[in-house]
Amino acid sequence: NAGVMQNPRHLVRRRGQEARLRCSPMKGHSHVYWYRQLPEEGLKFMVYLQKENIIDESGMPKERFSAEFPKEGPSILRIQQVVRGDSAAYFCASSPGLAGGLVFFYEQFFGPGTRLTVL
Amino acid sequence: GDSVTQMEGPVTLSEEAFLTINCTYTATGYPSLFWYVQYPGEGLQLLLKATKADDKGSNKGFEATYRKETTSFHLEKGSVQVSDSAVYFCALGTGNQFYFGTGTSLTVIP
Repeated sequence: NAGVMQNPRHLVRRRGQEARLRCSPMKGHSHVYWYRQLPEEGLKFMVYLQKENIIDESGMPKERFSAEFPKEGPSILRIQQVVRGDSAAYFCASSPGLAGGLVFFYEQFFGPGTRLTVL
Repeated sequence: GDSVTQMEGPVTLSEEAFLTINCTYTATGYPSLFWYVQYPGEGLQLLLKATKADDKGSNKGFEATYRKETTSFHLEKGSVQVSDSAVYFCALGTGNQFYFGTGTSLTVIP
């Protein structure tokens, strides 16, 4: 059973370009989370998605950032008009989510991350 | 709101020393508690977890006990190895939300 997959692993963009980061959750997982890790800092929650729905985007910057998790295909984190301050590691995690109405907390499984460098 | 406060690093220990990394939490409900480990250049891996008060999570010689009375989940290991050098994150899970501590960098020297 493959784990959470992210691509690309490394992405270099010039200021003003768009960055598109992909995340394929573990098989059977319907919940996806995106986090950002700045150098020497902890993980900051960005957005939580289920298939075709954004559940919580309270950690997303108001401008230039967007995320989606379509019915088919990977989850995408899109950063438009990148700036140097966007340079960071972006991690995706997935979980199976709630089970049959029971409030059950599942651990999150993390991908290897995409390291974005903005020149 | 819910949050996790983690001991600041970096921590440097000699091989075979005893390790404690403190973690305390604030939560309104009944969270699950986790420790994740991040090796250089990699993503986070679950190290251990506890889902209710007084549970003890353990893995690879690491242990942590969910203490509701002190709202703590301290990570311990009796004898660290060089291969334990990594960043350790305490996390709290409630509903479908996760809250991470800022991470504690551990370096073990031979």
